Amino acid sequence: NAGVTQTPKFQVLKTGQSMTLQCAQDMNHNSMYWYRQDPGMGLRLIYYSASEGTTDKGEVPNGYNVSRLNKREFSLRLESAAPSQTSVYFCASSEGRAQPQHFGDGTRLSIL
Amino acid sequence: AQSVTQLGSHVSVSEGALVLLRCNYSSSVPPYLFWYVQYPNQGLQLLLKYTSAATLVKGINGFEAEFKKSETSFHLTKPSAHMSDAAEYFCAVSETGRRALTFGSGTRLQVQP
Repeated sequence: NAGVTQTPKFQVLKTGQSMTLQCAQDMNHNSMYWYRQDPGMGLRLIYYSASEGTTDKGEVPNGYNVSRLNKREFSLRLESAAPSQTSVYFCASSEGRAQPQHFGDGTRLSIL
Repeated sequence: AQSVTQLGSHVSVSEGALVLLRCNYSSSVPPYLFWYVQYPNQGLQLLLKYTSAATLVKGINGFEAEFKKSETSFHLTKPSAHMSDAAEYFCAVSETGRRALTFGSGTRLQVQP
């Protein structure tokens, strides 16, 4: 049982480049999330999707876009990467609000 | 919006000593509360959750947490620390009307031999 799978695990970009972070879950969860983790700031929500076909902004959505491709997959896109987007990105999924979120192992992204 | 405060960004204990990690939340209604643990270069793993069934919640690896409404607290404890408990711990609260979690800034636990 893979749970939540994120690709890639590491990436280095130059300022202005674009890329898409992939996330897939095999637990048949309705809700999926993207967070970024920065030292001393915990996890901050970028976007979430309560169900297939819906997405909502979180705390720090600027500079990002998302796509809920189907129930399993939720991708995060950086259209024009900036050094301030250097971070560790985590994808998570859950059955609903009162249910625990299950996390992937993260994507470590550096933007030069 | 709800907020979560974790007192102490770093906590150091001796092996075998009591572990106490503090978490306070702000909420006008009883929330759902969670503790997660993160080991280096890994994602977050659920330790335990509070969903109003019982105020004392037992989790994995010998951890437990007590919900105190009067103090708006949900502190995490373990009677006897083990070296393998060294990690970062996050308290989180669910937001009313939304499906996302609000996380505290985390507490890094160091266990000394």
